[in-house]
Amino acid sequence: AQTVTQSQPEMSVQEAETVTLSCTYDTSESDYYLFWYKQPPSRQMILVIRQEAYKQQNATENRFSVNFQKAAKSFSLKISDSQLGDAAMYFCAYRGTNFGNEKLTFGTGTRLTIIP
Amino acid sequence: DVKVTQSSRYLVKRTGEKVFLECVQDMDHENMFWYRQDPGLGLRLIYFSYDVKMKEKGDIPEGYSVSREKKERFSLILESASTNQTSMYLCASSLFNRENTEAFFGQGTRLTVV
Repeated sequence: AQTVTQSQPEMSVQEAETVTLSCTYDTSESDYYLFWYKQPPSRQMILVIRQEAYKQQNATENRFSVNFQKAAKSFSLKISDSQLGDAAMYFCAYRGTNFGNEKLTFGTGTRLTIIP
Repeated sequence: DVKVTQSSRYLVKRTGEKVFLECVQDMDHENMFWYRQDPGLGLRLIYFSYDVKMKEKGDIPEGYSVSREKKERFSLILESASTNQTSMYLCASSLFNRENTEAFFGQGTRLTVV
């Protein structure tokens, strides 16, 4: 079974600074997807960024980028130029690729606070 | 826009009641999921379904059942609610397609069992 570990329950960062959220995972599969989801106080889960395991290039979405280390099974999220609207719970998630195995497995989350 | 709609945002039920949580998606997604979210535990999968009338147990299925009679609707049933089922419940759906792997979530139902 796949597992996802987020070892930082809480993080804080000054507005406009950069912060990195950590995630490690365990799997025996060679092909899979990894995600970072954001859950603001409104509770609506929003996809931040995704990474396909077969792609070596790290995904980027504007101020958000990942450091994907397949051999180390590590998938960290970097938020640059942090903004007040980035304050939320962030969840790392894993998904397989086989039919019937497309469930998302989540980590326990990191609560990110932005300090004005 | 893909929309996943959960029937209630807040719900209060009594111990022993049968509880139905409804979820509807409007994008013809094959996969639907029910998660439970608790502080410090993240999201844990209760059940998922990859087709009408098909269901698979997740990590914590005890005390729950599900129903999927139509593709767009996935119901979570608490046969006899207990206080340890007080939690946030999130429904999600996704398309099985290598290029569209994103799961879309409803806004959650915060269930309190008293």
